[in-house]
Amino acid sequence: GEDVEQSLFLSVREGDSSVINCTYTDSSSTYLYWYKQEPGAGLQLLTYIFSNMDMKQDQRLTVLLNKKDKHLSLRIADTQTGDSAIYFCAERSGNTGFQKLVFGTGTRLLVSP
Amino acid sequence: GAVVSQHPSRVICKSGTSVKIECRSLDFQATTMFWYRQFPKQSLMLMATSNEGSKATYEQGVEKDKFLINHASLTLSTLTVTSAHPEDSSFYICSAPQGRETQYFGPGTRLLVL
Repeated sequence: GEDVEQSLFLSVREGDSSVINCTYTDSSSTYLYWYKQEPGAGLQLLTYIFSNMDMKQDQRLTVLLNKKDKHLSLRIADTQTGDSAIYFCAERSGNTGFQKLVFGTGTRLLVSP
Repeated sequence: GAVVSQHPSRVICKSGTSVKIECRSLDFQATTMFWYRQFPKQSLMLMATSNEGSKATYEQGVEKDKFLINHASLTLSTLTVTSAHPEDSSFYICSAPQGRETQYFGPGTRLLVL
C-alpha cells in the first residue's frame, strides 16, 4: 500500500528558513498536499502541488517536488514563532476517483525566538 | 477557503454509551466526506468514506457496526461511536473535498470514554 514518511522533528530559530521533507511510495500520486495542525485543532490546508509540477511558490511557502525520487519538501521562509505546529504531507492516489488522502507521520516544527 | 465544522468539539461519555459526532460543510456541498482518527502524537488514519445517498465505505480493520456513518444531506455527515469503550478515546476529524483538488478539514472532536 501507499506509504508516506516524514522526519519527526525540526527546530529552527525565528527568521531562519525551515525545510520539511517528505517521501512517498505511490508513483500514481496526482496531488500532494501540505497541512498544518496546531495543538488540539484540525488541519489547515497550506498548499498543494499537482504531480506534473516541480515547484510551487505561495508567499513564504515554496513546495518542491521530485517525482523521480518521490520526494516532496516544504520551505518556509522567514519562519516565525507562529509557524510552530505539526506539518503533515499527504498524497492523493491517482488510482481512486475519490480524494482519498494518505498522510505522513507529521513533522513537529519548533521555532525559537 | 471553505469551512467545515464539527460538533461537539469535546465529549466525555461513560463506557457503553453511544456518541454522535456531526460534520458539516458550511458553504459548499459535499457528496463525499471522510472520517479520520488521530491518536496522540500520531498521524491521521482514514476510517471511512461517507457517501451521500449510499452506504459508507470502511477502511480495512474498521468495524462498521461500531462506527456508524450516515450522510444525511449534501452538507451533513454523522459518525456514531456505538457502545463506546476507553480504547475508542481519540481525536476524530472529518473532511470534505471541494472541487477536484482541495480537501478541507473540520476542527476535530476529542472523545474521552471513561
